[in-house]
Amino acid sequence: GDSVTQMEGPVTLSEEAFLTINCTYTATGYPSLFWYVQYPGEGLQLLLKATKADDKGSNKGFEATYRKETTSFHLEKGSVQVSDSAVYFCALRRGNTGGFKTIFGAGTRLFVKA
Amino acid sequence: DGGITQSPKYLFRKEGQNVTLSCEQNLNHDAMYWYRQDPGQGLRLIYYSQIVNDFQKGDIAEGYSVSREKKESFPLTVTSAQKNPTAFYLCASNTGLAGGTDTQYFGPGTRLTVL
Repeated sequence: GDSVTQMEGPVTLSEEAFLTINCTYTATGYPSLFWYVQYPGEGLQLLLKATKADDKGSNKGFEATYRKETTSFHLEKGSVQVSDSAVYFCALRRGNTGGFKTIFGAGTRLFVKA
Repeated sequence: DGGITQSPKYLFRKEGQNVTLSCEQNLNHDAMYWYRQDPGQGLRLIYYSQIVNDFQKGDIAEGYSVSREKKESFPLTVTSAQKNPTAFYLCASNTGLAGGTDTQYFGPGTRLTVL
């Protein structure tokens, strides 16, 4: 079945450091890929998405490129801020999956130190 | 502003009680979902509904029930049969367009604690 694997956290960085959170997936066909962010005590917010191979999603300085050849969708940011501290979830959805279910990774917690 | 509301934000339940969590959306979305999140873990799907008056079990439906009588509303009842209900519950919705490219929006969550 479909699955998403993220790098385990927590990831601890200093402010202005470069961020990479790895995400790989297993799915048949052509899923859409998403990154969500969750701040403490809140729901998930969409950070960015890509719906076909080689698409790059970007938002608030974060980027991720849909790589079908490596089945990956790694999240990157050139210079993190303390306010980026949160849990990040990689996810996929296939339109022909029963009920259009979204498959989430386990999440990666990011701590950014001032 | 369009969005998803969940209430209450915090809920305490005694052993053996049923409780109902509210989820309302004004996004005109057809599809709605309930997820459970345990500390340090990802999201697990409880139930989902693609259209009014229809819903399907997700991966961990035992001990839960739902209804979808209105497009805007998808309440979740946590029954006494759910042996370990303490968790953070998230409601979500999306348009349900074919292809799965549409964004799933989430509510702020309800934290349920069993006393």
